[in-house]
Amino acid sequence: GQQLNQSPQSMFIQEGEDVSMNCTSSSIFNTWLWYKQDPGEGPVLLIALYKAGELTSNGRLTAQFGITRKDSFLNISASIPSDVGIYFCAGQTPNAGNNRKLIWGLGTSLAVNP
Amino acid sequence: DGGITQSPKYLFRKEGQNVTLSCEQNLNHDAMYWYRQDPGQGLRLIYYSQIVNDFQKGDIAEGYSVSREKKESFPLTVTSAQKNPTAFYLCASSFRGPQPQHFGDGTRLSIL
Repeated sequence: GQQLNQSPQSMFIQEGEDVSMNCTSSSIFNTWLWYKQDPGEGPVLLIALYKAGELTSNGRLTAQFGITRKDSFLNISASIPSDVGIYFCAGQTPNAGNNRKLIWGLGTSLAVNP
Repeated sequence: DGGITQSPKYLFRKEGQNVTLSCEQNLNHDAMYWYRQDPGQGLRLIYYSQIVNDFQKGDIAEGYSVSREKKESFPLTVTSAQKNPTAFYLCASSFRGPQPQHFGDGTRLSIL
């Protein structure tokens, strides 16, 4: 199936640093979602985006729906140790209709050095 | 609390056996999904169901079967035809319409 290009694949940063990751697609999307997954658990929704250009924050997290509708980014400010995990982007194309299938990135693995 | 419950957390299967993974949700969601997760491969869709008594194959349905007899439940059977069943299995649900999927905590299946 189709997949999103998510980068970087992994990051190792110092506590307090800001983090930026992004997803791109060759197709336009009408929904972008960002999830975080801790080891051995299911992904948890962080931010949902539904309109091109939309910029949404959730605490130290900020995500944007790219104006071209083919990309999205997630920023984490002032990272802390509990930010460690795998971050996934997911999106839905306009022709999905009532079909709720999502297209997924392969994830960005984040490690934070205290 | 409302949520999605997957059981068991860990499951072991002998060669040639079928096993069934449970997924129950009390969120009143219409749609339910099963994903398989392998290291480095992200989430791959196995089956999904938009309404009771209806379901569709995802990208990797071979060797799996599902049923949707109740809105709250969407069990996944990993059959003996699935030659590489060792993986982390995730169940998700959502309302119909532009709503995101919410996940259970997964079941890790291993082969003895």
